[in-house]
Amino acid sequence: EDQVTQSPEALRLQEGESSSLNCSYTVSGLRGLFWYRQDPGKGPEFLFTLYSAGEEKEKERLKATLTKKESFLHITAPKPEDSATYLCAVQGSGSGNTGKLIFGQGTTLQVKP
Amino acid sequence: DARVTQTPRHKVTEMGQEVTMRCQPILGHNTVFWYRQTMMQGLELLAYFRNRAPLDDSGMPKDRFSAEMPDATLATLKIQPSEPRDSAVYFCASARDLYSGNTIYFGEGSWLTVV
Repeated sequence: EDQVTQSPEALRLQEGESSSLNCSYTVSGLRGLFWYRQDPGKGPEFLFTLYSAGEEKEKERLKATLTKKESFLHITAPKPEDSATYLCAVQGSGSGNTGKLIFGQGTTLQVKP
Repeated sequence: DARVTQTPRHKVTEMGQEVTMRCQPILGHNTVFWYRQTMMQGLELLAYFRNRAPLDDSGMPKDRFSAEMPDATLATLKIQPSEPRDSAVYFCASARDLYSGNTIYFGEGSWLTVV
C-alpha cells in the first residue's frame, strides 16, 4: 500500500535559521512526488513536482530534493511569511494504481521574526 | 488566473439534512478529485473522475456519499443524510490530465459543520 510519512509534525524556526522537512514514502512505481504549501483557511498551493531520484527544484528560499525513499524540502534563511503547513504527496504508477495522490500529514512550520 | 471554484465556502447544517457541494474545475482539465481534510486524518481522497467517468471512489462512504460529474464544468459531492462526523473541509482539485503527471490544483474548500 502506498504510504507517505512527514517529519517533523511541527517545526519552529527563527527568521534566518535554515532547516529541512522530510517526506518518506513507499510506493509501487513513482510517477511523481509533489510538494504543496497550505495556509490556514486555504486550499493547498502547488510548489514542486519531482519525478526521479536525484532531481532537485528550487523556488525562492525553497529547494526540494528526491531520493528513492524520501524527499527533503530545504528552507534557506526563512522569513515569517514562509510559515504554513507543507504537504508532501506521491502518485504511483504500479499495476492497479489509478494515479491518485496520497498525502502525508504535513509539517506545520512557524518562523518567528 | 485560472482556478478551481467551490461552493459553498461555508455550510452549517443539522444532522440528517442533505448537503451538496459543487465544484467548477479549471477549464480544459479532464481530471477532478474530491478530498476531505480533518485534523485527525489529514487529506483523504474520497473520489475522482477522468473525462467525467468515476475512476476510484473507494475512499467514500457509499451509504451516504455520492459524487457525480453532470458535465465537464461541474462536479458535485452529496451527503445524505449528514452526520456530525462529516464535519470537515472538503476540497475539490483538478488536473489537465492525471496520467501525464500534470500539476493538480486545489480549490479553496467547502467548510462543513454538521450539528
